[in-house]
Amino acid sequence: DAKTTQPTSMDCAEGRAANLPCNHSTISGNEYVYWYRQIHSQGPQYIIHGLKNNETNEMASLIITEDRKSSTLILPHATLRDTAVYYCIVRVHDYKLSFGAGTTVTVRA
Amino acid sequence: KAGVTQTPRYLIKTRGQQVTLSCSPISGHRSVSWYQQTPGQGLQFLFEYFSETQRNKGNFPGRFSGRQFSNSRSEMNVSTLELGDSALYLCASSSGFGGALYEQYFGPGTRLTVT
Repeated sequence: DAKTTQPTSMDCAEGRAANLPCNHSTISGNEYVYWYRQIHSQGPQYIIHGLKNNETNEMASLIITEDRKSSTLILPHATLRDTAVYYCIVRVHDYKLSFGAGTTVTVRA
Repeated sequence: KAGVTQTPRYLIKTRGQQVTLSCSPISGHRSVSWYQQTPGQGLQFLFEYFSETQRNKGNFPGRFSGRQFSNSRSEMNVSTLELGDSALYLCASSSGFGGALYEQYFGPGTRLTVT
């Protein structure tokens, strides 16, 4: 599996957009970029995924660079409830997900 | 509809004992996967069940086993517990299996502490 690199932590002001970067320079052609988040004391929650086109859903937008070596998750209007650990994963479409340390996002009022 | 439920939420066991954890998937979901999450190793895949059959298995010793019932509920068992088995055990359900655009929905997990 392609390895991902994310910043350890970041702060964001409530109501502002949060841009979470992820590097995956060894991604292969059939691997998708997935984003999950985990709020304290809860199970991981799926956010969004994409292959090469930018994607948007009700939770977030995913911007993937043309060479697919990096991506950015955008939370358009962060709220206090978005405080969580965010995980960027690169996988083929199977269920053997594995997470590393992720980015701890703290949304401040 | 109700989400994935896991019981118990918290468990304390002693080394050498065995433990059984339970997972009820979202109604209509037939695939259940189990994961172990620790601060050091992050989230790691244990195994996946679909239609009562184990379809995929991660790199864990044989002390870790599971099964799925006809109603899609699943249990996992850990025998001869070791201190290193202390972790959050997560169950995830999905509607399909294998190679398709499915999302996994996770339960809240069972926090196992081995003393």
